[in-house]
Amino acid sequence: QTVVTQEPSLTVSPGGTVTLTCASSTGAVTSGYHANWFQQKPGQVPRALIFSTSSKHSWTPARFSGSLLGDKAALTLSGVQPEDEAEYYCLLYYGGAWVFGGGTKLTVL
Amino acid sequence: QVQLVESGGGVVQPGRSLRLSCAAAGFTFRNYAMHWVRQAPGKGLEWVAVMSNDVSSKYYADSVRGRLTISRGNSVNTVYLQMDTLRPEDTAVYFCARGTVDRPGVDYWGQGTLVTVS
Repeated sequence: QTVVTQEPSLTVSPGGTVTLTCASSTGAVTSGYHANWFQQKPGQVPRALIFSTSSKHSWTPARFSGSLLGDKAALTLSGVQPEDEAEYYCLLYYGGAWVFGGGTKLTVL
Repeated sequence: QVQLVESGGGVVQPGRSLRLSCAAAGFTFRNYAMHWVRQAPGKGLEWVAVMSNDVSSKYYADSVRGRLTISRGNSVNTVYLQMDTLRPEDTAVYFCARGTVDRPGVDYWGQGTLVTVS
């Protein structure tokens, strides 16, 4: 069974920069995994931020960026705002099926 | 604007069946793959299934394969999730979501429908 692993929690100061990562139990995450990233705030529907590793949706704030970092997919938030406090999920593509990571709870403090 | 509206959730006994629907509007439905994603109470997101735009292919999470079946009606702009032999662990909010058109991904989400197996 494929497992996608994210940091359970991270804390960042307002205005700071933080990187969230997403690893696959099958090995290095490459562009072929088409990593997607989503933000979910309590009681809300998930919102898509990034698709295909680094592509932004039309509504994605400029401070969010996606990349590959070593053998993982990464989501970097630069100039973090208080409203960025949320749960973040990555989603990886396995040639048809997809698997979500367990999520990272980002605290802005 | 893109709208996805799920329906069909409710309380169902273990072993019974339920069919969820997701009505789409605001885009050319037949051009997009459609996904189902679920979220158990207080838990993370779990990808469930996807069907291609032309119904030629579908894929499932290991946890639901053989019990949940995705289908779609492009003439009625609706994607379905047939849920059979339901288990308590299937209790979750079920979201439908639209696939991105040019590269693999997910963009728009519906508001979700709650399924309680008890």
